[in-house]
Amino acid sequence: DGGITQSPKYLFRKEGQNVTLSCEQNLNHDAMYWYRQDPGQGLRLIYYSQIVNDFQKGDIAEGYSVSREKKESFPLTVTSAQKNPTAFYLCASSIPRDRGGDTQYFGPGTRLTVL
Amino acid sequence: RKEVEQDPGPFNVPEGATVAFNCTYSNSASQSFFWYRQDCRKEPKLLMSVYSSGNEDGRFTAQLNRASQYISLLIRDSKLSDSATYLCVVNLRDDKIIFGKGTRLHILP
Repeated sequence: DGGITQSPKYLFRKEGQNVTLSCEQNLNHDAMYWYRQDPGQGLRLIYYSQIVNDFQKGDIAEGYSVSREKKESFPLTVTSAQKNPTAFYLCASSIPRDRGGDTQYFGPGTRLTVL
Repeated sequence: RKEVEQDPGPFNVPEGATVAFNCTYSNSASQSFFWYRQDCRKEPKLLMSVYSSGNEDGRFTAQLNRASQYISLLIRDSKLSDSATYLCVVNLRDDKIIFGKGTRLHILP
């Protein structure tokens, strides 16, 4: 079955530690995205990547880093510099707009709690 | 004016009723529009795309009004399983995607 997977589903981290969230897709999508969602809030874009080895900052990139070494994978690192990291993190993928895609498909999310 | 605005609700609606909610957007260059459904503590899932004059899928109808810059979602014969948060999503010309904060819907038995 094609889809997007994120792991782990729940993650607990001590303050001051970096942590990496996994996102993998086998939909053959070129574009991938990371969002965070806080209670009662909309999704906010952290980083996105339209193609392998290239990525751009979203609206709230500070304290986060990403890599895109493979088409299928777009891991997100939440660094200790992120002041308020507790949130629900969602990964999405899509066919790039210039090839007719504009619908995003989401993974199941990772709920990060900083203790 | 916010880029995408939705009434947060909650809308408490008896089962079987018809419910409608709107989403307004500020950028007239917006190209495409979507409704997503998000269940509690789950990921958003695409409900419907909304193009040009709108579209219908079973009990769900989505409309686009470019002149007034809003899209709407109508749910007929509502079911208990329709209880969720409905997110409005707007794609701008420059690949920017804006999510609304969502409208919470509770269908009451």
